[in-house]
Amino acid sequence: QKEVEQNSGPLSVPEGAIASLNCTYSDRGSQSFFWYRQYSGKSPELIMFIYSNGDKEDGRFTAQLNKASQYVSLLIRDSQPSDSATYLCAWGSSASKIIFGSGTRLSIRP
Amino acid sequence: EAGVVQSPRYKIIEKKQPVAFWCNPISGHNTLYWYLQNLGQGPELLIRYENEEAVDDSQLPKDRFSAERLKGVDSTLKIQPAELGDSAVYLCASSPSLRLAGAPYEQYFGPGTRLTVT
Repeated sequence: QKEVEQNSGPLSVPEGAIASLNCTYSDRGSQSFFWYRQYSGKSPELIMFIYSNGDKEDGRFTAQLNKASQYVSLLIRDSQPSDSATYLCAWGSSASKIIFGSGTRLSIRP
Repeated sequence: EAGVVQSPRYKIIEKKQPVAFWCNPISGHNTLYWYLQNLGQGPELLIRYENEEAVDDSQLPKDRFSAERLKGVDSTLKIQPAELGDSAVYLCASSPSLRLAGAPYEQYFGPGTRLTVT
């Protein structure tokens, strides 16, 4: 079983709609959760991190963490074409190791 | 604030040749990471440094890969000799020191070096 599972996509969402990206993880000892955005040919860019159960909002982005169910999600409201990218989920443990998923490709169609 | 700097950005070499990548982390970041990223995959950790100490190199293929972080700032990753399967993007990232609770801080990535081995 992979340590971080993401649907590879592509996930196609109409412009202006809410894009929902999901990620599950296998280690109950995970403490930190991150969402990175990666445009084609570019390096990953941190967009959200969350440590506690519940929701964390930053602009159009909301990260949701449910440790009991071992999943973390990212919602993007009012999706824009510039949001089209690959979104990488990652989790970190107390051992300071961060494990990345393979990413979900998101495409926002005009 | 300057981000993570890497060089070169692109490198094409023939198999069996050596190659080296350089990274300068964000000022004040004590933790430095080297990752390998293949197309369609997430970054995979090669080595992590806390200051000048390599604290996690379990995924580094030590028969051909080596790394150093003298003085706990800049770092160099070397491959010798390179193989066709080493073609990938090599990413350097840095983060502040661990929080008191020990959970890792968020990481900031450099632009990467795209290596092509022919």
